[in-house]
Amino acid sequence: GAGVSQSPSNKVTEKGKDVELRCDPISGHTALYWYRQSLGQGLEFLIYFQGNSAPDKSGLPSDRFSAERTGESVSTLTIQRTQQEDSAVYLCASSFRPRNTGELFFGEGSRLTVL
Amino acid sequence: GENVEQHPSTLSVQEGDSAVIKCTYSDSASNYFPWYKQELGKGPQLIIDIRSNVGEKKDQRIAVTLNKTAKHFSLHITETQPEDSAVYFCAAVKAGNMLTFGGGTRLMVKP
Repeated sequence: GAGVSQSPSNKVTEKGKDVELRCDPISGHTALYWYRQSLGQGLEFLIYFQGNSAPDKSGLPSDRFSAERTGESVSTLTIQRTQQEDSAVYLCASSFRPRNTGELFFGEGSRLTVL
Repeated sequence: GENVEQHPSTLSVQEGDSAVIKCTYSDSASNYFPWYKQELGKGPQLIIDIRSNVGEKKDQRIAVTLNKTAKHFSLHITETQPEDSAVYFCAAVKAGNMLTFGGGTRLMVKP
């Protein structure tokens, strides 16, 4: 597809379960970002991947959060032992240029609800 | 780190009026200031950006101004239309860092 694709679009889970969210970036984009958007809030940076470099994990809120990306392809964000405060929209973005020097292209997000 | 504050959090205007959203940032080394528009159920989309070497930039009905001394920048939308209704985010960054977003402004344009 032409844009950033995220799945699932909606996920409802029970507290304590693990969830995986997937992001398929725009082909050729070396930079990939995950952001979290809580209800009515701004965009909170979580993690950044640039090519084969070590990811910038400085925004991950706890060790229950992790993400992987193989090369310049798909990324998965995993949340273990989900808590109600993890409920949010998780947005993925990709960019052709590194480190926020250019436009970020966002997906439509994965809405996570933890009951 | 960088801190970006955005005001107002909600803004309601009549169609045809102008809308202004203001942001302040804390890190004087920040040099890139994009604005993103997020429509309901969509991801944010870049609408305009400005770099620190210019004071103003315009694109049709949208303009952004930057005051480096005061560390604030603003988005101006003229002749607002219902399709301008959305959440707008400002952001600031310096080279090598992550974008820091403001808290967002929900703009409602009443027909």
